[in-house]
Amino acid sequence: EDQVTQSPEALRLQEGESSSLNCSYTVSGLRGLFWYRQDPGKGPEFLFTLYSAGEEKEKERLKATLTKKESFLHITAPKPEDSATYLCAVPNYGGATNKLIFGTGTLLAVQP
Amino acid sequence: EPEVTQTPSHQVTQMGQEVILRCVPISNHLYFYWYRQILGQKVEFLVSFYNNEISEKSEIFDDQFSVERPDGSNFTLKIRSTKLEDSAMYFCASSDSGTGEKLFFGSGTQLSVL
Repeated sequence: EDQVTQSPEALRLQEGESSSLNCSYTVSGLRGLFWYRQDPGKGPEFLFTLYSAGEEKEKERLKATLTKKESFLHITAPKPEDSATYLCAVPNYGGATNKLIFGTGTLLAVQP
Repeated sequence: EPEVTQTPSHQVTQMGQEVILRCVPISNHLYFYWYRQILGQKVEFLVSFYNNEISEKSEIFDDQFSVERPDGSNFTLKIRSTKLEDSAMYFCASSDSGTGEKLFFGSGTQLSVL
């Protein structure tokens, strides 16, 4: 069964203090790995798709990377507005549609 | 920017009552989903819908659950007889692709079953 594990569960950073979040996955055949951001009381918001090992995607202070077993979300010089829960997910094939298998997320708090 | 809208934002109901959660997906999307998140737990898949029929459903989506797309804009989730364990945040999502990439989620309906 496809599984996604994220660490750490929670991370507190000072503004400007760079760090990385980890997403480990076990899938029968990788059809992509997705990163989402979730603000309190909101639905997940799509950030990145990664399809193959070695691939990298960037958006502002965020960079996502992918290996054969895990993905990292690197946060460079974070700001308080980067505070959120970051979720990773893998698609599980289901016919016409792929359902997403989510990890439990990393709750990031960036303090000014 | 287009968005998925869900109503109501909060719903409180008594155990055994029927509830209908409503969603308006993004207008040109063809793939529709319901996910839910119990407090402190993972976002979990309930059902996907494409071409006017269910594409896939999870073990959670039993006979008490149903989905409809009654017209060209709305997408609903009905729970016929709610249980305490149905209390959760329910998210509707839509996409222009069935791959699972770039799902657009609504802000959710917080369902509380008393």
